[in-house]
Amino acid sequence: EAQVTQNPRYLITVTGKKLTVTCSQNMNHEYMSWYRQDPGLGLRQIYYSMNVEVTDKGDVPEGYKVSRKEKRNFPLILESPSPNQTSLYFCASQPTESRGELFFGEGSRLTVL
Amino acid sequence: AQSVTQPDIHITVSEGASLELRCNYSYGATPYLFWYVQSPGQGLQLLLKYFSGDTLVQGIKGFEAEFKRSQSSFNLRKPSVHWSDAAEYFCAVGASGTYKYIFGTGTRLKVLA
Repeated sequence: EAQVTQNPRYLITVTGKKLTVTCSQNMNHEYMSWYRQDPGLGLRQIYYSMNVEVTDKGDVPEGYKVSRKEKRNFPLILESPSPNQTSLYFCASQPTESRGELFFGEGSRLTVL
Repeated sequence: AQSVTQPDIHITVSEGASLELRCNYSYGATPYLFWYVQSPGQGLQLLLKYFSGDTLVQGIKGFEAEFKRSQSSFNLRKPSVHWSDAAEYFCAVGASGTYKYIFGTGTRLKVLA
C-alpha cells in the first residue's frame, strides 16, 4: 500500500530535550516536505526537499532541522524544543510528474512542556 | 507574496443540501490551485487541482471547483452533501516553478442529519 509513515504519532516532551520525528514514504517520490498545523493558522511549510541531499527552507524553519540522506526518508529534528513548537506535524511527499498532489502522513502531535 | 484566504471558519449544512466553500488567493501569475480535505485524525487528501485549461474542475467524492481569475477565487462546490463529508477543507496555492505551497486556514464543515 502506498503510504507516508510518520513516527511517533503522539509525543509529550520537555523543553530542550532533542527529538526526531521520522517520515518514510514507499512511493519513490523525489519531493518531500514538512508542515505544522496550528489552530487558526492552517498548514505552514517548515522545510522541503527536492531530492537526496537537496533541502530548502519553507515559511517557518526556525528551530527545526532536516536531512535527506535517502530518498524514502525525511526526518524532522528539533534540537532544543520549546513550548511554541507544540503543534501537529505532517510529512508529505509528491511525485515530480504530478505537481501539487501531496500525499500526507497521518500526523504527529507534539507537546512540549 | 502569495496568500490564500478562506473566509468561513465553520459552515453547517443539512445533509442533502448544496455546499459552497469559498477560497480567495493572491498571486501575481496564474497559480496552481488545490483543495484538500482532512477527516478527523487523518492527514490531508487531495480533492482536486487546477493548473490551466477548463476553469471548472471535477474532483473526487463528487466535488467540483471553479477558477475565476477576475475574482481571484477558487470556490469548492458539491450539489448534495453527505454526512461523511463532515471534515475540514483546505484551499492551497502553489507557485509555478517551485514546490512551495501556501495553505488557507481551513473551513470546518458540519453536516446535520
